[in-house]
Amino acid sequence: KQEVTQIPAALSVPEGENLVLNCSFTDSAIYNLQWFRQDPGKGLTSLLLIQSSQREQTSGRLNASLDKSSGRSTLYIAASQPGDSATYLCAGPSGGYNKLIFGAGTRLAVHP
Amino acid sequence: GAVVSQHPSWVICKSGTSVKIECRSLDFQATTMFWYRQFPKQSLMLMATSNEGSKATYEQGVEKDKFLINHASLTLSTLTVTSAHPEDSSFYICSASNRGNTEAFFGQGTRLTVV
Repeated sequence: KQEVTQIPAALSVPEGENLVLNCSFTDSAIYNLQWFRQDPGKGLTSLLLIQSSQREQTSGRLNASLDKSSGRSTLYIAASQPGDSATYLCAGPSGGYNKLIFGAGTRLAVHP
Repeated sequence: GAVVSQHPSWVICKSGTSVKIECRSLDFQATTMFWYRQFPKQSLMLMATSNEGSKATYEQGVEKDKFLINHASLTLSTLTVTSAHPEDSSFYICSASNRGNTEAFFGQGTRLTVV
């Protein structure tokens, strides 16, 4: 059964810093891993989807890597901005096509 | 990406009543839909897997008689919270996918408040 862990649980940084959010998973036989953003009281915004054949994906200031052998994924946020403040969730499939197990999330606060 | 629409976005109901939440895939056929629940300051927890034309599969600890799931067509799944109580107040969100897709697409979520 897939278990997903995210560290740190919370992060508060000044604007402009480069950030690293970590995600680890127990079942390395995953076919992809997704990163999402969730604003308070809102739904999910899909940020990046990394297929198992890929090692990383980039979108703007976001870069996500996937290392199946070690069971880890990293979300890198460059030059953080106050608008990046949100909860970031990673999710991996477990026992079924697109049946996702979510980590507890990293609550990010970027202050001016 | 594909579009999944969830309705309503929020609902307030009285304790003891039932509430139905709809999840629709607007531009693709969803052979499978998933229902998640999120309590305040917690992550999303999978409740059940809904396959078109068959009975839903519930995760351990989720009462199937309380959370009725129907997936009668390839574009619509519904979650009915029966005899709702204040402890059922939560954020409910669905996702949809089809066999040829390795990505799940999420609805906007429904915030249920039971008073």
